Order: sequence, then structure tokens, then C-alpha cells
Amino acid sequence: DVVMTQSPLSLPVTLGQPASISCRSSQSLVYSDGNTYLNWFQQRPGQSPRRLIYKVSNRDSGVPDRFSGSGSGTDFTLEISRVEAEDVGVYYCMQGTHWPWTFGQGTKVEIK
Amino acid sequence: QVQLVQSGAEVKKPGASVKVSCKASGYTFTSNGISWVRQAPGQGLEWMGWITVYNGKTDHAQKFQGRVAMTTDTSTSTAYLELRSLTADDTAVYYCARHLSRSLDYWGQGTLVTVSS
Repeated sequence: DVVMTQSPLSLPVTLGQPASISCRSSQSLVYSDGNTYLNWFQQRPGQSPRRLIYKVSNRDSGVPDRFSGSGSGTDFTLEISRVEAEDVGVYYCMQGTHWPWTFGQGTKVEIK
Repeated sequence: QVQLVQSGAEVKKPGASVKVSCKASGYTFTSNGISWVRQAPGQGLEWMGWITVYNGKTDHAQKFQGRVAMTTDTSTSTAYLELRSLTADDTAVYYCARHLSRSLDYWGQGTLVTVSS
């Protein structure tokens, strides 16, 4: 199985400051169709996961533009340009290229 | 709008089975697959498997081999997850999620399954 490794696992951030989460995969996530199926999910406390980003850098409808995704191959990043209080929660990367699909361990974002 | 509404919480004894439902609305049910993902208390997300709704084909993670069954009822736009031979390690919130282009775009609200003697 493809192992997804996130860092850091805990991220205290000051309101209004940027935040960055890394996600590395044990194999390339480039699929045979040329796409890279790397997703980012946000899980607020007590809620279901919500997809933020798909195919590395595509933001879902309704996702604030302070969220952005980047990367290629095996190395990916989720950035929040200016953290707001509503961004508190756990963020997961997930690869959809190889079966079985696998998630990172999660990164907990909290306000300092 | 797309919605996935899951059945309510369950409490089961070790060795029993549980069946969780996920009723879809707001889209053509047979056009997308459905995945099942679980989350143990205080832990991360674990993909269990998925079903291609239009033909019933399933695939699941090896660790659930022989214990899991994923089915659908297209007449009611409902997906089902059945997990057998439950142990305390199966205590978790179980989510259904809709497939779109090798991703999961909409999620249900989750169903807590507690396994306790």
C-alpha cells in the first residue's frame, strides 16, 4: 500500500499568519491518464471530512481562496495564506491513484 | 444538492454483525461509486472499500477480507455496509462518501458503531 506521510502532525498558528502542511507519498501519484490524484480534506471538530482540494491544486466550490495546494510526484503541500478561527481542525491528504486509497495521519491545526 | 444521509448509531456485542445504510439524493445514484471510510475514536481516516453502483462491483482493503460486504439498492438510492465478526477494534465512526474522478467529493454525516460486551 502507498504510505502517505504528513508533517507536522500538530501545527499551532497565530491568527492571520500562514500555515503549511506537507504530505509525501511512498510512490509517485501520477496515474496512467497523466493526472495526479492527490486530495486534501478538512475535518472540523465533530464534523465529517470536507474536501478542499482535488488533483493537487483544484479548489472545491465554496472553499476560500486562502487555501491552496501544490506539488508533484511524491511531494505535496497545502497552504493556508492567513489562518482564520474557522480553520481549526485536522487536515488529511489522500491519494486516489493506487488501490487501496490511503490517507495521511492527519495534521491538527490549532490557534496559538 | 447532493446529500448522503446515514443510519443511526449502533451498539453491538463482540462477534455480531452490523449493517449501516447511506441514502443518496440530489444526483443520479448509478453515476458514481460509493466508498466507506472509518475513523476510530481519536484516530485518523481509514478507507475500507468501495462499490461501483451501476454494476455492483466491489473492492476493499485487504484487512477486511471476508468480513465486509458492500451492496446497494438502486430502487431507493441506498448503499449498505455490512461488517461481520465485530471486535472492540471495530468501534468507530463509519462514513460513506461519493466517488468522483478518483476522489471523494461528498460525505455522509457518519454512523457511530460501538462494539462492547
